[in-house]
Amino acid sequence: DAMVIQNPRYQVTQFGKPVTLSCSQTLNHNVMYWYQQKSSQAPKLLFHYYDKDFNNEADTPDNFQSRRPNTSFCFLDIRSPGLGDAAMYLCATSRVVGRAEQYFGPGTRLTVT
Amino acid sequence: SQQGEEDPQALSIQEGENATMNCSYKTSINNLQWYRQNSGRGLVHLILIRSNEREKHSGRLRVTLDTSKKSSSLLITASRAADTASYFCATDGASGTYKYIFGTGTRLKVLA
Repeated sequence: DAMVIQNPRYQVTQFGKPVTLSCSQTLNHNVMYWYQQKSSQAPKLLFHYYDKDFNNEADTPDNFQSRRPNTSFCFLDIRSPGLGDAAMYLCATSRVVGRAEQYFGPGTRLTVT
Repeated sequence: SQQGEEDPQALSIQEGENATMNCSYKTSINNLQWYRQNSGRGLVHLILIRSNEREKHSGRLRVTLDTSKKSSSLLITASRAADTASYFCATDGASGTYKYIFGTGTRLKVLA
């Protein structure tokens, strides 16, 4: 089945130790999004790609970077995780930017020790 | 901020009852979407309603949109324990923005 896959589902990292979260999709959608969701809060958009065009949200910390080497894969790099970066990270895709439903992966829960 | 506000923040009902949750937003939109999130999981798309539509149905779901009041409601009829989840509205920007901003969410608990 076509889907959005996130690995790992659970990630534990140490304070200041770089970590990479991955997302892959079999939907062949041209848009991929990364959201951060903290407990009992709404998902917060960090950035998104429209094909290879990267679009960063103004309030996304510089600590967060992203790579999209091809249509299927997108990575979220946290260069120096702080305790405040502990959250669920959600990847989503859509066919048309801002005009269609988003398909979400199951998320990666990041713990920072 | 364009973020939607949802109310109630939490709702607890008995199985078989109807559940209504509301979303208000701040700026003009092209469309509004509703999503469900089970605890600790990703979001699942429920329904999309365009700005020129006033009501839409999908199974036990009914969504209304009032662009003059900048508000939308989601009604779940004959609720089931499996409907227990958080529900979020998400709005885009009519000015040509291309991203969705999620509302604060309603946590629904359906008691068997």
